[in-house]
Amino acid sequence: DAGVIQSPRHEVTEMGQEVTLRCKPISGHNSLFWYRQTMMRGLELLIYFNNNVPIDDSGMPEDRFSAKMPNASFSTLKIQPSEPRDSAVYFCASSSKADTEAFFGQGTRLTVV
Amino acid sequence: EDQVTQSPEALRLQEGESSSLNCSYTVSGLRGLFWYRQDPGKGPEFLFTLYSAGEEKEKERLKATLTKKESFLHITAPKPEDSATYLCAVQASGGSYIPTFGRGTSLIVHP
Repeated sequence: DAGVIQSPRHEVTEMGQEVTLRCKPISGHNSLFWYRQTMMRGLELLIYFNNNVPIDDSGMPEDRFSAKMPNASFSTLKIQPSEPRDSAVYFCASSSKADTEAFFGQGTRLTVV
Repeated sequence: EDQVTQSPEALRLQEGESSSLNCSYTVSGLRGLFWYRQDPGKGPEFLFTLYSAGEEKEKERLKATLTKKESFLHITAPKPEDSATYLCAVQASGGSYIPTFGRGTSLIVHP
């Protein structure tokens, strides 16, 4: 398996624009996590899906952030409108079960100017 | 609230100089503790899972141990390729199993 695949690897956008980050989890994994990593706050969980259903979205900063998982092989994280403070590296991770180790993608480095 | 504190924040070692990284945690009940390695520009890579006090796991020059309040990642005779950030995460029993990550220890091993 190729592992968790994220796209794009880098995204530079202007404040106010919509940004969509994409993730393909490892086949057969039924848990998917979106994380954000910054120097200031470290690795923060944004949202957790189990069997394509959002279970915990308490980490989503505000209504500008939304995430979907239309099927077991694809998830998106959308920011609309984007702000400079959203600049960070966003990781997607998947695991075979909710309580097992997670496998991370390479991340998307987002810069909002 | 679950808390994970890693120390030191940064560690510089000479090649061959063994040392330990610490992960202290506060959780209502521990389901599992994870160690990850993160290289610059990459996502965290899973190393170990520990479930109960007294448990130990080894992989090459790394050995992870667990007590009721903390975990140690021992690095024996490190090499420059061991340079990375090491992250610890705890998973509480009950609830949604969402792990709480520490801030990590940045390790640099000089040749």
